[in-house]
Amino acid sequence: RKEVEQDPGPFNVPEGATVAFNCTYSNSASQSFFWYRQDCRKEPKLLMSVYSSGNEDGRFTAQLNRASQYISLLIRDSKLSDSATYLCVVNKAAGNKLTFGGGTRVLVKP
Amino acid sequence: GAVVSQHPSRVICKSGTSVKIECRSLDFQATTMFWYRQFPKQSLMLMATSNEGSKATYEQGVEKDKFLINHASLTLSTLTVTSAHPEDSSFYICSAEDRDRAPYNEQFFGPGTRLTVL
Repeated sequence: RKEVEQDPGPFNVPEGATVAFNCTYSNSASQSFFWYRQDCRKEPKLLMSVYSSGNEDGRFTAQLNRASQYISLLIRDSKLSDSATYLCVVNKAAGNKLTFGGGTRVLVKP
Repeated sequence: GAVVSQHPSRVICKSGTSVKIECRSLDFQATTMFWYRQFPKQSLMLMATSNEGSKATYEQGVEKDKFLINHASLTLSTLTVTSAHPEDSSFYICSAEDRDRAPYNEQFFGPGTRLTVL
């Protein structure tokens, strides 16, 4: 089983719609969780950290469910510029190494 | 703030040559830098963790004699791919951790180096 698993998609989303997707992680001792965004042939960029209480940043909402070991990302009012691959990232229990999921591809269409 | 640069951005070389990639933190000190590799349609895979002034820690399956890492200062780490072969062609990305910033464990990524070995 992969340490961090994501639905690869693609999620085809009409502009203005809401899209949500999850990520599961296998190590129950993981401490830190992030969503990164990666555009084609570019480096990943931090979208948001994910806190236990859930957090929101504009149109983006992230949730953490420790009991079921998954995190989610919801994008409201999707924009064309939201088209990207969203990487779920979890820190390894020992030290500060990050483990990346395979990414979920989102395509927002007019 | 928290800018990481990489050089070169793209390199094409012949099989058997060595390629050096530089990773610099431009506006912060990075005691720890990380080197990742990403093959097409795959996610980032951590290759090694580089700590300033000490030997790098390599992930399982990564040959330390092939991928030489040097972290001589708080703002510079280098990755040298020795005797590169076509299977080493990949997107190499470094990241740096700024421990003075919250949240802890946030890594800032360089723009990546695309290596093509002919």
